[in-house]
Amino acid sequence: ELKVEQNPLFLSMQEGKNYTIYCNYSTTSDRLYWYRQDPGKSLESLFVLLSNGAVKQEGRLMASLDTKARLSTLHITAAVHDLSATYFCAVDRNFGNEKLTFGTGTRLTIIP
Amino acid sequence: EAGVAQSPRYKIIEKRQSVAFWCNPISGHATLYWYQQILGQGPKLLIQFQNNGVVDDSQLPKDRFSAERLKGVDSTLKIQPAKLEDSAVYLCASSRGGLSYNSPLHFGNGTRLTVT
Repeated sequence: ELKVEQNPLFLSMQEGKNYTIYCNYSTTSDRLYWYRQDPGKSLESLFVLLSNGAVKQEGRLMASLDTKARLSTLHITAAVHDLSATYFCAVDRNFGNEKLTFGTGTRLTIIP
Repeated sequence: EAGVAQSPRYKIIEKRQSVAFWCNPISGHATLYWYQQILGQGPKLLIQFQNNGVVDDSQLPKDRFSAERLKGVDSTLKIQPAKLEDSAVYLCASSRGGLSYNSPLHFGNGTRLTVT
């Protein structure tokens, strides 16, 4: 059974600081997704990572994938309050079967 | 393009009652998913449709949950009878042809179910 773990589960950080969220998964997969969820809202797609070594950046967020280590990171640079949300990583459970297993989520709070 | 539409937005029922949720995916999206998100957890897949056929319902509690997508477009998810532990947000998602198109799932706003 595929397990997807994120850490930390909760993160409170000051504006302007940098931090990294980690996503580990238990079985081979070449596709990893990052989503953002605001309170009471649905999930918004942030990044799709499709190969080992993939790196994608959008604004203050950068995601990377190391399939050999079964690890993805979401790096936040110079955090701003608008980035406060819960971030989920999700892994394709069986390559080609097109079903996502989500991590536990990281609740990020940016303090002014 | 219009997003994934879900209704109702909220539903409160008593245990042992039945409830139904409706989803209209993005136009042209062949694959439709229902996820259950319990408070404080990540979404968990309940069922996946490809057009009007079921691809995976291995995590659907079939003694009480059912889902259909009769014409390959809209879908309904039903719970009968509901239990307290069914309290969750039920999210519908769609994609053009599944993840092999390298496109992410697009999620609706969800239906928040409270069972009392």
